[in-house]
Amino acid sequence: DADVTQTPRNRITKTGKRIMLECSQTKGHDRMYWYRQDPGLGLRLIYYSFDVKDINKGEISDGYSVSRQAQAKFSLSLESAIPNQTALYFCATSLSGSTGELFFGEGSRLTVL
Amino acid sequence: GQQLNQSPQSMFIQEGEDVSMNCTSSSIFNTWLWYKQDPGEGPVLLIALYKAGELTSNGRLTAQFGITRKDSFLNISASIPSDVGIYFCAGQRGGSNYKLTFGKGTLLTVNP
Repeated sequence: DADVTQTPRNRITKTGKRIMLECSQTKGHDRMYWYRQDPGLGLRLIYYSFDVKDINKGEISDGYSVSRQAQAKFSLSLESAIPNQTALYFCATSLSGSTGELFFGEGSRLTVL
Repeated sequence: GQQLNQSPQSMFIQEGEDVSMNCTSSSIFNTWLWYKQDPGEGPVLLIALYKAGELTSNGRLTAQFGITRKDSFLNISASIPSDVGIYFCAGQRGGSNYKLTFGKGTLLTVNP
């Protein structure tokens, strides 16, 4: 079983709908991240959380919100999806004190029509 | 914000050839990392570099942390079909409380 699990893996929705992407991890890591991948743009950070009570905006947080329900769970919400939020979304984890090593989930592909 | 310039954007090579890709930045980084993303998967760490001038190998992969701390390169020797994927460089400034900055990736295609 994957250490970092994302659900759903694929989702097609319509403009204006609310969408939640969920991430859970069994690695025992305290830090969790949400990234967005677009062709030719690499990985861009949306939000990150260093522990349950700590939530921080990344470089492209507009239009997104997050919730850290427990150390092992970090969800990403799109309150009113728009077509330019069509992308591949990754959750990642890391251990505090580590330098740079992120562990990624398998990704959630979201299409907004 | 910080930017990493990764090149080339894509490469098409024949099996057995060597590959080289690099990342440059206008900012200094204390850590350089190289990740690989297989098709349909999330990125996985290949090599981490923590000291300027450091040269590290992992099988057929070799990476170096530039002396100026503003660049890094990754070489793959004797490429094989399973080397196909997207390779990302990433840099981290300061200590572990700093986020990674990712390059835009190099898409590698290996023709058998």
